Amino acid sequence: AQSVTQLGSHVSVSEGALVLLRCNYSSSVPPYLFWYVQYPNQGLQLLLKYTSAATLVKGINGFEAEFKKSETSFHLTKPSAHMSDAAEYFCAVSGLGTYKYIFGTGTRLKVLA
Amino acid sequence: GAGVSQSPRYKVTKRGQDVALRCDPISGHVSLYWYRQALGQGPEFLTYFNYEAQQDKSGLPNDRFSAERPEGSISTLTIQRTEQRDSAMYRCASSLEHNQPQHFGDGTRLSIL
Repeated sequence: AQSVTQLGSHVSVSEGALVLLRCNYSSSVPPYLFWYVQYPNQGLQLLLKYTSAATLVKGINGFEAEFKKSETSFHLTKPSAHMSDAAEYFCAVSGLGTYKYIFGTGTRLKVLA
Repeated sequence: GAGVSQSPRYKVTKRGQDVALRCDPISGHVSLYWYRQALGQGPEFLTYFNYEAQQDKSGLPNDRFSAERPEGSISTLTIQRTEQRDSAMYRCASSLEHNQPQHFGDGTRLSIL
């Protein structure tokens, strides 16, 4: 069985500050992990993915995430927030050989001027 | 097309009516998925197609829900005798193969009055 927990349904940061969005997972098989972003009235856009290669994954728009097996975490970070980063972010897990994504409940990021 | 296309974007209907939601995947994508997303939640898996074959329908909530993909491309999710609890965002995704990242459409927001 697999599950995802996203701590913090709402996160606010100042423009230029570090962005840290937390994701913890559980999986009975080697996990594949994903971060998706949803801008208002748009679909889910893939930010980055971990599929058992490098543990530090770089994605689009300056985001990156680090897979930490010992902590069962896959937190999303960005060194400097931009106003355009305001959106809802979803972490998802699937497993090696599986196709069903299990999503977290999402974290809405607000960027303050 | 360039991305996954879903129609209609919005659907409002009265309780008891049938609705059909359409998904046109990215050209060449073998795998197609339907998810449902309630307000404040992440997407939840409904069903999965490999070409025209429905490989997994374990997430369909009851027998009022059905899906098809007759020619291995466009898919239709049908809800019969709609109920208010069916109100949600319905998302379609496609991928090159089942173990490749899923690309999502903008979704259909369904409201049952």
